[in-house]
Amino acid sequence: NAGVMQNPRHLVRRRGQEARLRCSPMKGHSHVYWYRQLPEEGLKFMVYLQKENIIDESGMPKERFSAEFPKEGPSILRIQQVVRGDSAAYFCASSQFMNTEAFFGQGTRLTVV
Amino acid sequence: QQQVKQSPQSLIVQKGGIPIINCAYENTAFDYFPWYQQFPGKGPALLIAIRPDVSEKKEGRFTISFNKSAKQFSLHIMDSQPGDSATYFCAAGGGSQGNLIFGKGTKLSVKP
Repeated sequence: NAGVMQNPRHLVRRRGQEARLRCSPMKGHSHVYWYRQLPEEGLKFMVYLQKENIIDESGMPKERFSAEFPKEGPSILRIQQVVRGDSAAYFCASSQFMNTEAFFGQGTRLTVV
Repeated sequence: QQQVKQSPQSLIVQKGGIPIINCAYENTAFDYFPWYQQFPGKGPALLIAIRPDVSEKKEGRFTISFNKSAKQFSLHIMDSQPGDSATYFCAAGGGSQGNLIFGKGTKLSVKP
């Protein structure tokens, strides 16, 4: 049973470009969470999705950031017009039910140059 | 009310010692309290979790103690090893909070 798969592992974007981060949850998991982690800091919640629905996006900036979890395919976190401050590690986690074991992927490390 | 406060920020122990990491929460609706271990460059890995119906849970060398009235929980690592050197995060979730709220992490270093 494969774990949570994130790709790419590393992503370099120039300021103003778009970054697209993908997350395939564990088999049987329909709940997906995105977190951002800055160096030497904790995990900040961004958005919680269930198949085709955004459940809670309270941690996601209102502009430039969007997320989706379509019926088929991976969850996507999209950052438009990236700025240097977007450089961070972005982690995706999945769970079978709400408030149960959540398993994390290896993350995507975004560097904006 | 959504915060989870974790301490200490860093911790150094000798091999065989018992590091203890503490967390406190405010939201009484939280009913799920996991701990994660993260190595540099890797994703957080679920270590152990507890729900409020028990005061202690043990898995291998890792033990969670839970004090519902004080709204605190802690992680103990028995017979710590250099390979346990990592950053440890506590988290809380539950009620209408579908996602986990994380503490800021504790960087543990176990000296040989």
